[in-house]
Amino acid sequence: EVQLLESGGALIQPGGSLRLSCAASGFTFSGYAMSWVRQAPGKGLEWVSVISGSGSTTYYADSVKGRFTISRDNSKNTLYLQMNSLRADDTAVYYCAKAPYSRPNPGNWFDPWGQGTLVTVSS
Amino acid sequence: QSVLTQPPSVSGAPGQRVTISCSGSSSNIGAGYDVHWYQQLPGTAPKLLIYDNSNRPSGVPDRFSGSKSGTSASLAISGLQAEDEADYYCQSYDSSLNGWVFGGGTKLTVL
Repeated sequence: EVQLLESGGALIQPGGSLRLSCAASGFTFSGYAMSWVRQAPGKGLEWVSVISGSGSTTYYADSVKGRFTISRDNSKNTLYLQMNSLRADDTAVYYCAKAPYSRPNPGNWFDPWGQGTLVTVSS
Repeated sequence: QSVLTQPPSVSGAPGQRVTISCSGSSSNIGAGYDVHWYQQLPGTAPKLLIYDNSNRPSGVPDRFSGSKSGTSASLAISGLQAEDEADYYCQSYDSSLNGWVFGGGTKLTVL
């Protein structure tokens, strides 16, 4: 069974940094692209970033470009999201999700999703 | 404002059929990019319901169906059940934004 388990969420002050992790199991991790999707409290879903199975290709939403960095350690079956210069509007539950292909593809869907980890940016 | 437009809410009685629309543009659905649908039950993570416009993953009841035409897509739920009460999101890709996009979500209420 494919399982994704996020961790690292916390209350952080504006301008601060945080690293989220997503531990994967139940599939050949390096064979699939992985993504982060976030959901602000009471709001809809927003795609954040995607990384290829090899880690060589990454894409970001404009809202986080230059501030967030996605990475992965295939030896540890773990996906990361380094978040810098955090702002109040980054407050959200962050989900990691598996893509169906090894490379990011416009036709990508996300399945399955982890349970999410809450990031709160507030002073 | 989401790139993909969904009605904020829909409702139906048990046993009825409801549809949820997802309206896009020439840079996403109209460009030929596939549409996918997710169900988010209260307090849980989203779950894939339909992929590639009309395909159901294993385990999803055939009461759920999807379609796409032009710049829009639709999710239909027949034989409504109380357990279907949830938020539903469409998702596609947008070539102008160079990224994956979601609809704003539709809350389904089973009366």
